[in-house]
Amino acid sequence: ETGVTQTPRHLVMGMTNKKSLKCEQHLGHNAMYWYKQSAKKPLELMFVYSLEERVENNSVPSRFSPECPNSSHLFLHLHTLQPEDSALYLCASSHPGLEHPPEQFFGPGTRLTVL
Amino acid sequence: GENVEQHPSTLSVQEGDSAVIKCTYSDSASNYFPWYKQELGKRPQLIIDIRSNVGEKKDQRIAVTLNKTAKHFSLHITETQPEDSAVYFCAASMTTDSWGKFQFGAGTQVVVTP
Repeated sequence: ETGVTQTPRHLVMGMTNKKSLKCEQHLGHNAMYWYKQSAKKPLELMFVYSLEERVENNSVPSRFSPECPNSSHLFLHLHTLQPEDSALYLCASSHPGLEHPPEQFFGPGTRLTVL
Repeated sequence: GENVEQHPSTLSVQEGDSAVIKCTYSDSASNYFPWYKQELGKRPQLIIDIRSNVGEKKDQRIAVTLNKTAKHFSLHITETQPEDSAVYFCAASMTTDSWGKFQFGAGTQVVVTP
């Protein structure tokens, strides 16, 4: 394990459901990220949290709502999703700064299917 | 913002041959270039990275080269083995970016046939 965990690993939901994805990092990092990975597309950065403050929202629809209660935990709340939102959702963490290598450590991802 | 293009999208090689993946970036301020490997059903993992103050870095069978003037960098895998089969992603970033954001390429599916 790399120190970044995600639950659940698989999720099937209907378009009217509300669900949440959870990410936890045990690496002492201060930045966390949500990515969407669809087939044949680059990793799409959705949200960035730095020191528990959202610093980036890459034009993500409001049906995706992130939450970062502390530097170790990151959630992605989902509601009224569309079938095209089906993808692998990856969480990552890092400790950016001149004195630290900027490597991002990824979790195993949540495979989301929206029916 | 930064834009990263990666080629080819798929690459088939015979075991023992070399594989080369190329990426170009648009922002001359980018100074950190990692490569991630993602095996089927697994998370992306860093395999090698290079900073803009060096032109080449090597780690066993893997090497990365950087041409800052042309704004492109490449991943070289020599003596390929079946376990090298995976999707490889390049990325560009700035170490001065307080939030550590990466711009990823679209990925290259590498298939090594025995």
